[in-house]
Amino acid sequence: DQQVKQNSPSLSVQEGRISILNCDYTNSMFDYFLWYKKYPAEGPTFLISISSIKDKNEDGRFTVFLNKSAKHLSLHIVPSQPGDSAVYFCAARGSQGNLIFGKGTKLSVKP
Amino acid sequence: DVKVTQSSRYLVKRTGEKVFLECVQDMDHENMFWYRQDPGLGLRLIYFSYDVKMKEKGDIPEGYSVSREKKERFSLILESASTNQTSMYLCASSLGAGAPYWPYEQYFGPGTRLTVT
Repeated sequence: DQQVKQNSPSLSVQEGRISILNCDYTNSMFDYFLWYKKYPAEGPTFLISISSIKDKNEDGRFTVFLNKSAKHLSLHIVPSQPGDSAVYFCAARGSQGNLIFGKGTKLSVKP
Repeated sequence: DVKVTQSSRYLVKRTGEKVFLECVQDMDHENMFWYRQDPGLGLRLIYFSYDVKMKEKGDIPEGYSVSREKKERFSLILESASTNQTSMYLCASSLGAGAPYWPYEQYFGPGTRLTVT
């Protein structure tokens, strides 16, 4: 059973608007979450993370929100740019220090 | 900057061949990981290693083995390649637990696109 779920396989947004990517998890023991961005034919690159002791972390245009009671996190990109078009993976830190990834959401930002 | 390199970007092998995928990192990271990425399935962990000569099975270890003889190098071995192992293979590394600022982030290589015919 999937422990980290990204239920939207794709998202299309107009340039300049907000992109919101969602992620749900099932294990309440997860204490650290990360977002990765992946372009085709490249490895994923780390984007932003959040510890379970926080409910928000911001880095420039990227903000991650964590709602522990709902076991839900989201990544907000404001304003969205065409270069943000990529696949975004949500991940949670597992008990052995490994990362458990969602299936990804493909974001398309249209000019 | 952390650098993770993988020996090949593209590889074509025949069914039944033994395949070696090599990964090298230059940041003295303790942890190394092998994933495969398939459309609609995301990144799935095959094996990982916390230290030299140590290995742990991930979610999908069947059909694979690994070797970590040196800290900087982690090899993925397909003992007898099959068509269902056609995939993008991604290697990653990270600092170990207990590191001063234990960031958890994994740094990925560019990937190897393996096709088994």
